[in-house]
Amino acid sequence: EAQVTQNPRYLITVTGKKLTVTCSQNMNHEYMSWYRQDPGLGLRQIYYSMNVEVTDKGDVPEGYKVSRKEKRNFPLILESPSPNQTSLYFCASSFTQGSEQFFGPGTRLTVL
Amino acid sequence: AQSVAQPEDQVNVAEGNPLTVKCTYSVSGNPYLFWYVQYPNRGLQFLLKYITGDNLVKGSYGFEAEFNKSQTSFHLKKPSALVSDSALYFCAVRDPNDYKLSFGAGTTVTVRA
Repeated sequence: EAQVTQNPRYLITVTGKKLTVTCSQNMNHEYMSWYRQDPGLGLRQIYYSMNVEVTDKGDVPEGYKVSRKEKRNFPLILESPSPNQTSLYFCASSFTQGSEQFFGPGTRLTVL
Repeated sequence: AQSVAQPEDQVNVAEGNPLTVKCTYSVSGNPYLFWYVQYPNRGLQFLLKYITGDNLVKGSYGFEAEFNKSQTSFHLKKPSALVSDSALYFCAVRDPNDYKLSFGAGTTVTVRA
């Protein structure tokens, strides 16, 4: 089944404790992206990747890191999480820039 | 810089009535435009897109959208709404010269029986 998977689905952590949210797609998509969803703000793009080893900042990259060492994986790293990073996070992938995106199920992160 | 506006936070309609969800955009070139839907506690699902060609685009679940370049709008429509259409709808735009995708704040649609 074609899909985007994220892990974990739910995470409660404390300020400053490094964490990684994994994202994997099995569709051989070139383009992958991370978003955060906050009430009243819609989805805001954090980082995106056009292909392996090619990443760039979205609209809200501060406090986040990403890597794209393999085509299928695009992990999101929070080196020192803060409470303002409490949010619902989505990973997405698509064949190309103009293609529709396939979204993962989301990761609900709470930083205390 | 590109941006999207969804001027209505909420849209309420009766089942069987037409449904319209509004979206306006700002982009430097010819836009790539998308509509996505999010059901409660679910990820986003693609509904339809406009890249080029006919201004009227047909998508999933009976939805369609009309691209209007002069008004920079891409309103989502459904001739006869169903209770199951109740969800959160997002419009998104991409400048073809950029890899960023910008989403609107979303519109909550409630269809009452």
